[in-house]
Amino acid sequence: SQQGEEDPQALSIQEGENATMNCSYKTSINNLQWYRQNSGRGLVHLILIRSNEREKHSGRLRVTLDTSKKSSSLLITASRAADTASYFCATDGRENTDKLIFGTGTRLQVFP
Amino acid sequence: DAGVIQSPRHEVTEMGQEVTLRCKPISGHNSLFWYRQTMMRGLELLIYFNNNVPIDDSGMPEDRFSAKMPNASFSTLKIQPSEPRDSAVYFCASRPPQGTTYNEQFFGPGTRLTVL
Repeated sequence: SQQGEEDPQALSIQEGENATMNCSYKTSINNLQWYRQNSGRGLVHLILIRSNEREKHSGRLRVTLDTSKKSSSLLITASRAADTASYFCATDGRENTDKLIFGTGTRLQVFP
Repeated sequence: DAGVIQSPRHEVTEMGQEVTLRCKPISGHNSLFWYRQTMMRGLELLIYFNNNVPIDDSGMPEDRFSAKMPNASFSTLKIQPSEPRDSAVYFCASRPPQGTTYNEQFFGPGTRLTVL
């Protein structure tokens, strides 16, 4: 079964608004990553946060990690129509960092 | 860099036929992963290789599935015989040697398989 569960499953917003997606996982991790998938395409890595970090920024992306709650959030600020995609969190495991377990994904629709 | 290359991009076949999916990882990457994505089960890891050696194939659903990596620049995923429930998008991903990045994987565009 998948380790990561994301919510909401789907999110619709207007351009310029912020989008927040949440991810929960079950076991201890080394790193948590966020990926984006445009329709009909492969996944693209966005950002990685290590288990000893609490917050990380990259451009319009802000990721937080709460290891005590086993949860992470991805915030996209000032969204654009081009941000329309599915977003997945992925976690590795303390014992095996090779394998990534992907969440169920959040489908984000940004309307112009 | 061309990125991860997968072929074919689309495959339609009939139940019982053999299907071979191909992947060329990014040059210099030493880990290769095969995933399957469906609406019902999401993205599942099937098998992965480090330095051309299969490390974990616990995600391979049945003996009908097999994967090989004869060299650092090529891998195949074979389904024989194929069944309608194998219909999915199959992704290949590669990763640079550990220590160069923090476990980021680079995905190919996927192969959409339809088994009739």
